[in-house]
Amino acid sequence: QVHLVQSGAEVKKPGASVRISCKASGYIFTGYNIYWVRQAPGQGLEWMGWINPNSGTTSYAQKFQGRVSMTRDTSTSTAFMELSWLTSDDTAIYYCAKLRFLEFDSWGQGTLVTVSS
Amino acid sequence: EIVLTQSPGTLSLSPGERATVSCRTSQSVSSRYLAWYQHKVGQPPRLLIYGASTRATGIPDRFRGSGSGTDFTLTITRLEPEDFAVYFCQHHGSSPPYTFGQGTKLEI
Repeated sequence: QVHLVQSGAEVKKPGASVRISCKASGYIFTGYNIYWVRQAPGQGLEWMGWINPNSGTTSYAQKFQGRVSMTRDTSTSTAFMELSWLTSDDTAIYYCAKLRFLEFDSWGQGTLVTVSS
Repeated sequence: EIVLTQSPGTLSLSPGERATVSCRTSQSVSSRYLAWYQHKVGQPPRLLIYGASTRATGIPDRFRGSGSGTDFTLTITRLEPEDFAVYFCQHHGSSPPYTFGQGTKLEI
C-alpha cells in the first residue's frame, strides 16, 4: 500500500526558511513524480512544483521561482521541499502528492507551517 | 492558465439525496486531464475520479463523473453520512500551471 508520510508542523519567523520531508513507501519511488501543493487558510489548493525522483529534474510554479527548492534522497525514498524568505502569506498546510498518470492517487497527511513573529 | 470554476460554493443536502457539483474550465480541455477529489478536515485529499469519468480504486459506484469540453460534473447519487466533505476538481494538462477548482463544500 502506498504511503506518503510528511514531517511535523513547523512555526517559523518571517524571513526564515522551512524544509518539509515526504517519505514514500509501498511503490517504486523513482517511478513517479512528487508534487507539492499547499492550502492557505480559507483558500483553495495551489500547485507549487514537482520533482522527478529518478532524475532530480524539477519544475516550479512561477510564483515560487527563486524561493523554493525541491530535492530528493533516493536512498531513503524521501522528497524534500524547502521554502525560503517566509512571510505570513506562506502560512498554510503543505502536501506532497504522487502523480500516477495525470491525477494524484496518493497524498501525504499534510504539514502545517505557521509563519508568525 | 486554465481556470477551474466550481459551483455551487456550498451545497446543503441530506443523506439519501443526490448531489451535483459542477466544474467549468476557462477553455476546452481533454477529459483525460480532469480529476475529482474529496477532502475532509484533517485528512489528505482522496482521489475519486480521473479521466473525468473513471472511478479510482475502492470508490463506491454512487460517485459518478461526467462531462467534456468545458463542463464537467461530479454526481453523488445517494448521499451517505461520510460523503459530507469538500469536493474539488483538478486539471493536469501537458504543461504547468496545474490548477484546482476552489472547492465545493457539501454539508448536511
